[in-house]
Amino acid sequence: DAKTTQPPSMDCAEGRAANLPCNHSTISGNEYVYWYRQIHSQGPQYIIHGLKNNETNEMASLIITEDRKSSTLILPHATLRDTAVYYCIVTDNQGGKLIFGQGTELSVKP
Amino acid sequence: EAGVTQSPTHLIKTRGQQATLRCSPISGHTSVYWYQQALGLGLQFLLWYDEGEERNRGNFPPRFSGRQFPNYSSELNVNALELEDSALYLCASSLDVGQPQHFGDGTRLSIL
Repeated sequence: DAKTTQPPSMDCAEGRAANLPCNHSTISGNEYVYWYRQIHSQGPQYIIHGLKNNETNEMASLIITEDRKSSTLILPHATLRDTAVYYCIVTDNQGGKLIFGQGTELSVKP
Repeated sequence: EAGVTQSPTHLIKTRGQQATLRCSPISGHTSVYWYQQALGLGLQFLLWYDEGEERNRGNFPPRFSGRQFPNYSSELNVNALELEDSALYLCASSLDVGQPQHFGDGTRLSIL
């Protein structure tokens, strides 16, 4: 599975959009981009995933560049409850395992 | 819809003992995954079960084992416990191998 690179930490003002970047320059054609988040003392929560096209659900939007070497997770109106560690993961789903890096610690401030 | 449930929430053992952790997947999910989250090491993949069979395992010694039952629930067994086994053990389930994994809140295993 391809390696991902994320900034270790980011701040965001409550009510503003949070844009979390992820680089995955070695991604293969059959690999998906997944985003999870982990709030302290809880298990990781699935947010969204995509292959090539941009995706949106009730939680977030995922923007994948045309060359697929990077992506951005967008939380349109961040709240204090969105404070968490956000993980970007690239996988072809074949081995069943998700490889978690260090993620981005997002702090949403009032 | 009930999420992934794990029991017990906390477990305290001493070195050399054996621990059994349990996981009930989301209804309808057939794949179960186990991860270890030790302090400072991040989330590490342990095991994947699908339709009762072990499909893949991570880089862990054989004293980490498990099984999946006909109702798709799963057990993780850790034998000959060592201090460094202290960690949060997370279980996840998915509808199929190509579908998103959904996690429980884990079992906190402490080795004294």
